[in-house]
Amino acid sequence: RKEVEQDPGPFNVPEGATVAFNCTYSNSASQSFFWYRQDCRKEPKLLMSVYSSGNEDGRFTAQLNRASQYISLLIRDSKLSDSATYLCVVTTGFQKLVFGTGTRLLVSP
Amino acid sequence: DTAVSQTPKYLVTQMGNDKSIKCEQNLGHDTMYWYKQDSKKFLKIMFSYNNKELIINETVPNRFSPKSPDKAHLNLHINSLELGDSAVYFCASSQMVAGSNEQFFGPGTRLTVL
Repeated sequence: RKEVEQDPGPFNVPEGATVAFNCTYSNSASQSFFWYRQDCRKEPKLLMSVYSSGNEDGRFTAQLNRASQYISLLIRDSKLSDSATYLCVVTTGFQKLVFGTGTRLLVSP
Repeated sequence: DTAVSQTPKYLVTQMGNDKSIKCEQNLGHDTMYWYKQDSKKFLKIMFSYNNKELIINETVPNRFSPKSPDKAHLNLHINSLELGDSAVYFCASSQMVAGSNEQFFGPGTRLTVL
């Protein structure tokens, strides 16, 4: 079983739609949680950290459920520029990031 | 202005050759990393150095040897290249501070072994 599992997609949505991605992780000792975004043929970039209390950054909302070892990302009012691969990431110490395989999002006009 | 830079951006070479990839960061971070992203887009850590000391060494063939001459540089040397080494190699850096794990990635080096 992979340490971090995501549905690879692609998720095809029209502009303005709301889309949600989920991720599960296997290591209960995981300490920190993130969503990174990777555009085609580019490097990953931090989108947002994920906290148990949930956090929001504009159109993006992230949630963490430690009991279920589950992380989610909600994108409201999708834009064309949101098309990318969204990587669920957990750390287990020494700043070792463990990446999911990513969920591909395609937003169409 | 580039925060994390890597050279070269593209590397095409024959099996059996030895090659190096260089990475530099100007963010003043104390920790640097090498990741490999394979053809299935799976990104996996290979090595991490904190203040020039190796702190993460995943199960990587010993043909791969990282070297950190100072905190701002982390190079990756690969001996006897194999077809399976073809991938994109990303360098990253971060500041090891409790509660902060943001890593900044370089643009990647696309290695093709023929």
